[in-house]
This record gives sequence, structure tokens and C-alpha cells, in this order.
Amino acid sequence: GQQVMQIPQYQHVQEGEDFTTYCNSSTTLSNIQWYKQRPGGHPVFLIQLVKSGEVKKQKRLTFQFGEAKKNSSLHITATQTTDVGTYFCAGGIGGNKLVFGAGTILRVKS
Amino acid sequence: NAGVTQTPKFRILKIGQSMTLQCTQDMNHNYMYWYRQDPGMGLKLIYYSVGAGITDKGEVPNGYNVSRSTTEDFPLRLELAAPSQTSVYFCASSARQGAGSPLHFGNGTRLTVT
Repeated sequence: GQQVMQIPQYQHVQEGEDFTTYCNSSTTLSNIQWYKQRPGGHPVFLIQLVKSGEVKKQKRLTFQFGEAKKNSSLHITATQTTDVGTYFCAGGIGGNKLVFGAGTILRVKS
Repeated sequence: NAGVTQTPKFRILKIGQSMTLQCTQDMNHNYMYWYRQDPGMGLKLIYYSVGAGITDKGEVPNGYNVSRSTTEDFPLRLELAAPSQTSVYFCASSARQGAGSPLHFGNGTRLTVT
């Protein structure tokens, strides 16, 4: 079936280091959404990207959507302990279907 | 606003038992979804609904049933619980269908089948 691949599966960083998670699809996506799930919590919507090559920022978080609309990335600058959690991308396929990546677990050492 | 509310938070079932996971939302969203989350596997869509009286299968519907008699409520039924249904279940809603509209998730139900 249609898949959205997300890497890495897990990353452990020192507080203050940067972090990036990548999302890739073999199919052109209509849009990409990003969610954050704190340990023991539920996914919370962060942002949506729709346009080819789009870049959006939320404080220390930078989101990119590839030119071909088949990949996306989330970059966190100078991680903090509050960034701990699992980050999911979700790709829109065919306009109606939303397919989630497996998520990247981020752990931050203080 | 409470958003999306799920009950119960935790449940342990024996094999073969049945139960209903409750989900209600107060945002007047037409679209509602049930996902299951297994470690390292992301979120898999079980069933979804585009409005009262309309439901459809997602990626992993086997062993589950749903109903949508009102806009607010979207219960998920497990008829004969199996160990493979041990998971965390999330209900979600959105203002528009699928891609293009943010999903609002409930707090989840952690289900163990032994």
C-alpha cells in the first residue's frame, strides 16, 4: 500500500544540539502535516505544508516541503528537554487520505 | 471546550470478551476517525466517518465495528478480543475530510488483551 517512510526511528541528542527528522513518499503528496506526541500523550497537530518548496518556522522548529512534494523535514535548532517526544509526519494522498509515518522518537540529555 | 473525549483510559480484557471504546467530540466536526498505535508502527486507521450515519473501513478494520448515530459520538466495538488487539487506540476528529484538515486527537485508550 501507499507508505510514508520516516527516518530516523530514534534519536538521542545532547541538550542544545540540533535535530532533524525526514519524511519520504514514493507518491506525490497533496500536503504534509506534522504532529508531536509527548510520552504517554496523544498526537498534537503542529503545522501543515501545502505548496511545493514551502518552508515554515515556529520558533526553533523549521518545516520544509520538497520541491517534488514527495519529502519533508522537521528541524529543531538547539533542542531543549521540552522537545522530548515522538514526531510524526502525515502525508496527504489523493486529497482525502492521510497516511502517517512511523514517527521519530526524540530523547534529549540535559 | 473539551475537544475529543475518550473513555475508558485503560482496560484489560480476556481473550474473547467484547467491549466498546467511547469517543465524543464537541467541536461539531463531521469527520471522525479511529486509529490504533503500536510501538514503532505509527498510527493505523481502523475506521472513519464523514458524518452521522456514514462509516467506512480504514487500513486495519478486521475485528472492529463502528457506528455513528450522532455527529458527536463515534464508538468503536471489539466483539471478540484477541491479543493482536492489544494497542493504544486514539479517536480523532476534523473539520474537513482527511488530508488538508488538522486532526484533533483524544487522550487515548490503552487496551491489553490477555
